[in-house]
Amino acid sequence: DTGVSQDPRHKITKRGQNVTFRCDPISEHNRLYWYRQTLGQGPEFLTYFQNEAQLEKSRLLSDRFSAERPKGSFSTLEIQRTEQGDSAMYLCASSSRQGNTEAFFGQGTRLTVV
Amino acid sequence: AQSVSQHNHHVILSEAASLELGCNYSYGGTVNLFWYVQYPGQHLQLLLKYFSGDPLVKGIKGFEAEFIKSKFSFNLRKPSVQWSDTAEYFCAVTYGGATNKLIFGTGTLLAVQP
Repeated sequence: DTGVSQDPRHKITKRGQNVTFRCDPISEHNRLYWYRQTLGQGPEFLTYFQNEAQLEKSRLLSDRFSAERPKGSFSTLEIQRTEQGDSAMYLCASSSRQGNTEAFFGQGTRLTVV
Repeated sequence: AQSVSQHNHHVILSEAASLELGCNYSYGGTVNLFWYVQYPGQHLQLLLKYFSGDPLVKGIKGFEAEFIKSKFSFNLRKPSVQWSDTAEYFCAVTYGGATNKLIFGTGTLLAVQP
């Protein structure tokens, strides 16, 4: 499968714990996005990378959230000191830099904070 | 603020009925418009997109959408739905800029009864 891959698919964690999610984009795509989706809502933009540079962060991304894309390939999203309000589906998407192109989404990581 | 409105949250149709899902976006200059679909248990997939040119866009599986600039609308249509069209449909917009981050509507859950 050459689509966007996310790991893990599901994560249950206790409040206060740290979690890290991984996203592997489509190999030739240099743009990578993280979104968060809660029940009954559409995905909300969190952050964006072009190659290894993080070019935009949403105000939704509190200080407890950090994202990296160290070599311009895979990306990680870490949430520190998780709260129940962090429970959501975390989606990763990638796109090509060439012209107007669509974003391709992974299947997401569903986080449940108990 | 940049936003997308989807007027129908839940739609129930019988097979062979016609479908129209509304989508309006807030003014923000140059826009690219998308409809994504999420089938049960699957990731977001692109149905169709509009960047420029003919405002009537044809997508996969018999779907089409019409961009009406004066109404800031991009409604999705299908003349005859099938049971397999049961899914959640998201309208999304990117506004002019390098990020190309998607702004999503809240989604419309379509249930097609056989």
